[in-house]
Amino acid sequence: KAGVTQTPRYLIKTRGQQVTLSCSPISGHRSVSWYQQTPGQGLQFLFEYFSETQRNKGNFPGRFSGRQFSNSRSEMNVSTLELGDSALYLCASSPGQASGEQYFGPGTRLTVT
Amino acid sequence: DQQVKQNSPSLSVQEGRISILNCDYTNSMFDYFLWYKKYPAEGPTFLISISSIKDKNEDGRFTVFLNKSAKHLSLHIVPSQPGDSAVYFCAASAFVLNDYKLSFGAGTTVTVRA
Repeated sequence: KAGVTQTPRYLIKTRGQQVTLSCSPISGHRSVSWYQQTPGQGLQFLFEYFSETQRNKGNFPGRFSGRQFSNSRSEMNVSTLELGDSALYLCASSPGQASGEQYFGPGTRLTVT
Repeated sequence: DQQVKQNSPSLSVQEGRISILNCDYTNSMFDYFLWYKKYPAEGPTFLISISSIKDKNEDGRFTVFLNKSAKHLSLHIVPSQPGDSAVYFCAASAFVLNDYKLSFGAGTTVTVRA
């Protein structure tokens, strides 16, 4: 099976702009979660989508939003970018098994200047 | 609120010796614990896990120990190899809204010296 893919891999934006990141989960996985990774902060949970519905949400401002399509692909959008939004954004998919084990994509490195 | 804490941001160990990574958690509802390994420019990959009903799980060079009373788990890597140099994330899983939700620690960067 192909792994989780994320596009683009690298992105440079300026403050005030908006950005959309894309994630394609492993075939058959219906749960997609998004995380932000910054140095020293580990993986901060953004939100999780399951069957096109947002099921869980982390403590991020409303500028961060997402959606999931019927084919389980997911997009994450950040509006009015701030310098502090520079981070690695990781997408993970899960079949929903009891262990909670997730499979991560390579991430999108977002730099805000 | 950081429910999973890895208090050591970095660890340096000699090749062939033991690496011990520690993780503490606060939520007693966590019932499954996982370790992920991350190389630069790649997403985290699953390494090893342990259910809350066990106190030890071993897989080759990797062993995870769980002390529920202390809300503490550790990952032992023996012997450490240069390819083990990576960031290691501890994660804990709790059942939320009909599925499991993972909470991650901040990570520990392991450097294995030749």
